[in-house]
Amino acid sequence: AQSVAQPEDQVNVAEGNPLTVKCTYSVSGNPYLFWYVQYPNRGLQFLLKYITGDNLVKGSYGFEAEFNKSQTSFHLKKPSALVSDSALYFCAVRDRTGGFKTIFGAGTRLFVKA
Amino acid sequence: NAGVTQTPKFQVLKTGQSMTLQCAQDMNHEYMSWYRQDPGMGLRLIHYSVGAGITDQGEVPNGYNVSRSTTEDFPLRLLSAAPSQTSVYFCASREAGGQNEQFFGPGTRLTVL
Repeated sequence: AQSVAQPEDQVNVAEGNPLTVKCTYSVSGNPYLFWYVQYPNRGLQFLLKYITGDNLVKGSYGFEAEFNKSQTSFHLKKPSALVSDSALYFCAVRDRTGGFKTIFGAGTRLFVKA
Repeated sequence: NAGVTQTPKFQVLKTGQSMTLQCAQDMNHEYMSWYRQDPGMGLRLIHYSVGAGITDQGEVPNGYNVSRSTTEDFPLRLLSAAPSQTSVYFCASREAGGQNEQFFGPGTRLTVL
């Protein structure tokens, strides 16, 4: 069965430190990969996606993600965390063979302390 | 552009009542979806549509109906509300093509007593 795993319910980092939010997936082929962010009482907002090409993808608000095909991972990273980055982050995958559905991870809450 | 809009923002229902959650998008997107978000479970797909007049079931369709008479609108109907339907509901839209990201509405927080 296709699935997305975000192994950490919560990640705590200090402001100014680098952050990583982990995502691994089990989907056949080479899926499209996405990260979304959800701020309190808001809908999800798109951050970045991997389609093809360079394994390091840059997105909004200084975030980037590294695609690793052999490890089937798509970890979200940022070199220097801000308090305003505190939010809920979702990894999502979509089958490249034409399927409609997007599979979401359970989400990881990022807490950045000043 | 307003993007994806949803109404109402909050709703309280009694068991057995019915209601419609409204969703509209002004981006001319072909694809639209309804999700529910429950703690620790991510987003689960309820119903989706790949164009006007075409709808299909997602992974948790029971108790919900949808229709898509126009490209812009995709209402979700709760037929007979149950406490298990207490959740936050999100509507999303995107362009056709697997590589395209989704645009989400602000959500409707529904409580069923």
